[in-house]
Amino acid sequence: SQKIEQNSEALNIQEGKTATLTCNYTNYSPAYLQWYRQDPGRGPVFLLLIRENEKEKRKERLKVTFDTTLKQSLFHITASQPADSATYLCATHPPGYSGGGADGLTFGKGTHLIIQP
Amino acid sequence: GAVVSQHPSRVICKSGTSVKIECRSLDFQATTMFWYRQFPKKSLMLMATSNEGSKATYEQGVEKDKFLINHASLTLSTLTVTSAHPEDSSFYICSAGTSSSTDTQYFGPGTRLTVL
Repeated sequence: SQKIEQNSEALNIQEGKTATLTCNYTNYSPAYLQWYRQDPGRGPVFLLLIRENEKEKRKERLKVTFDTTLKQSLFHITASQPADSATYLCATHPPGYSGGGADGLTFGKGTHLIIQP
Repeated sequence: GAVVSQHPSRVICKSGTSVKIECRSLDFQATTMFWYRQFPKKSLMLMATSNEGSKATYEQGVEKDKFLINHASLTLSTLTVTSAHPEDSSFYICSAGTSSSTDTQYFGPGTRLTVL
């Protein structure tokens, strides 16, 4: 099975700075990586999906990169705000990617991001 | 769009009883839904894939006789925890993908199960 590693359990960032979270994968090259936000006691909320043939993807203050050489995805939040404080999860599909939403996801442990005012 | 609901949000039950959790896709049809379990300060672990009109597919180590899954319609999947024990206490979350979601999954708000 795929191993997803999010090296930082917790990350403290000053408001207004850019927060950068790391996701590394082993065992096989995934067709995509996804990033989710999870608040305490709630289900994950989808943020961004980046495919193996995409280097970078953006959505408002969010940016995700995918480096297949380093087997790594970076997730950036620019101009961070206290409201961005949450746990961020990296996820991908199992081996034998089926596509079309037919794959259950393997998640990393998440990084708890704290944006300090 | 793409809203998934779960009911109940919290449930407390006695050891040995069974608990049913519902997962509904409110504004789309989902031929496939997924059930995850999350222990405190841990990540989500996929338990099973629920397929409309057919048997669920369980991940290794998940007891299919203990966690009964029924996907009777394109908008509803249920997870029944049978003969619950305290170690089954966890946060159970379902998800679904839309036909146009291209691999994106939409998660329900989760159900907190506490077995006394």
